[in-house]
Amino acid sequence: DAKTTQPPSMDCAEGRAANLPCNHSTISGNEYVYWYRQIHSQGPQYIIHGLKNNETNEMASLIITEDRKSSTLILPHATLRDTAVYYCIVRVATSGGSYIPTFGRGTSLIVHP
Amino acid sequence: GAVVSQHPSRVICKSGTSVKIECRSLDFQATTMFWYRQFPKKSLMLMATSNEGSKATYEQGVEKDKFLINHASLTLSTLTVTSAHPEDSSFYICSARAGGSQETQYFGPGTRLLVL
Repeated sequence: DAKTTQPPSMDCAEGRAANLPCNHSTISGNEYVYWYRQIHSQGPQYIIHGLKNNETNEMASLIITEDRKSSTLILPHATLRDTAVYYCIVRVATSGGSYIPTFGRGTSLIVHP
Repeated sequence: GAVVSQHPSRVICKSGTSVKIECRSLDFQATTMFWYRQFPKKSLMLMATSNEGSKATYEQGVEKDKFLINHASLTLSTLTVTSAHPEDSSFYICSARAGGSQETQYFGPGTRLLVL
């Protein structure tokens, strides 16, 4: 059972910023928020993760609200190659006791010319 | 980021045969590897977690005798689909993690299996 809620789809014009929201209202204090994306017929690609502070890397920025109940992934200048399904995940325990990301349905982002 | 490879990238086999899929971490040692399957237009579903040198832990509803997992070294895990049937046709994806649960998982490119 996914612990996050994302809009099923979004679209964005090429060159503009893409802001992808995610709600994780039941997140625990020690759970990280991870973002991955999956381009069609490929394995998921790690984008960024954070705990409570905002994070930025060469791919994106992650803004986490102060109460940690939601976050936003920002692609500052979207390109056509950013068209993918974006997954926001918090780690949940498996039956073996290991904490791993569990994927929900994600947001299908379409970047158009 | 770290690189994880899978081989083969796609395979077609006859019903009743067994298929082995390899997952390798190329530039780091993976203490834990995970196997997922994904049906068309669906999200990834975790099948099992494996730690190097120990038996894999399977998620509920995944048959361990059907999907044999071996994690023989810190850079290699294999998934064998035994006596494959058409309903086993799917996209199989592995991921690897270097350290504890705080470490990032990196995913392989996936293997598309088609059972005729």
